[in-house]
Amino acid sequence: QSALTQPRSVSASPGQSVTISCTGTSSDVGGYNYVSWYQQNPGKAPKLMIYDVSERPSGVPDRFSGSKSGNTASLTISGLQAEDEADYYCHSYAGSYTYVFGTGTKVTVL
Amino acid sequence: EVQLVESGGGLVQPGGSLRLSCDVSGFSFRNYWMNWVRQAPGKGLEWVANIKQDGSEKYYVDSLKGRFTISRDNAKNSLYLQMNSLRAEDTAVYYCARENNWHRNLDFWGQGTLVTVSS
Repeated sequence: QSALTQPRSVSASPGQSVTISCTGTSSDVGGYNYVSWYQQNPGKAPKLMIYDVSERPSGVPDRFSGSKSGNTASLTISGLQAEDEADYYCHSYAGSYTYVFGTGTKVTVL
Repeated sequence: EVQLVESGGGLVQPGGSLRLSCDVSGFSFRNYWMNWVRQAPGKGLEWVANIKQDGSEKYYVDSLKGRFTISRDNAKNSLYLQMNSLRAEDTAVYYCARENNWHRNLDFWGQGTLVTVSS
């Protein structure tokens, strides 16, 4: 149950794109299509942004997209907006009804 | 409207115990797995535990097994986390979250309750 590895921070200017990676193992990210992503603003609870690797819940803008290759999942934010500045966490099913989160990535809009 | 409201946090001495509660409304509580997630100050999210709809199965992060116990009361629409032998490193905001049974994600979260372990 080791945390999934994410870059500490990424940044881009408004309108550009950023991609956040989430690297795990064949026992979590690579073994299941149950990767989700959460956005967390300071002092707030996390908010589900992507589930099942690439699905968006109702109300999440389509500039948020997810993908996976092998043991690494990715979240891409296209057309970056100021309101997207937040912390982002990946989350994966790890088998036997357990879960693991990523280390978290701070997205900065320059 | 789905709502999850945690309570029971506070200041506790090392070695002490605390019981957190999460009261839910707006959905059929008995039909969902429920989770606890914590976040130490300035740190990332850590999955703590989850419990099956009827309480018959419970799973924990390895590092906490034996000290924390998750439970639920479906008649009261409430989720609990009993925390024993608390340590300074257990200081965190504790969130309860609903688990989407079909997609294995955490689709609704409470606002969190802060637990501080300090002498």
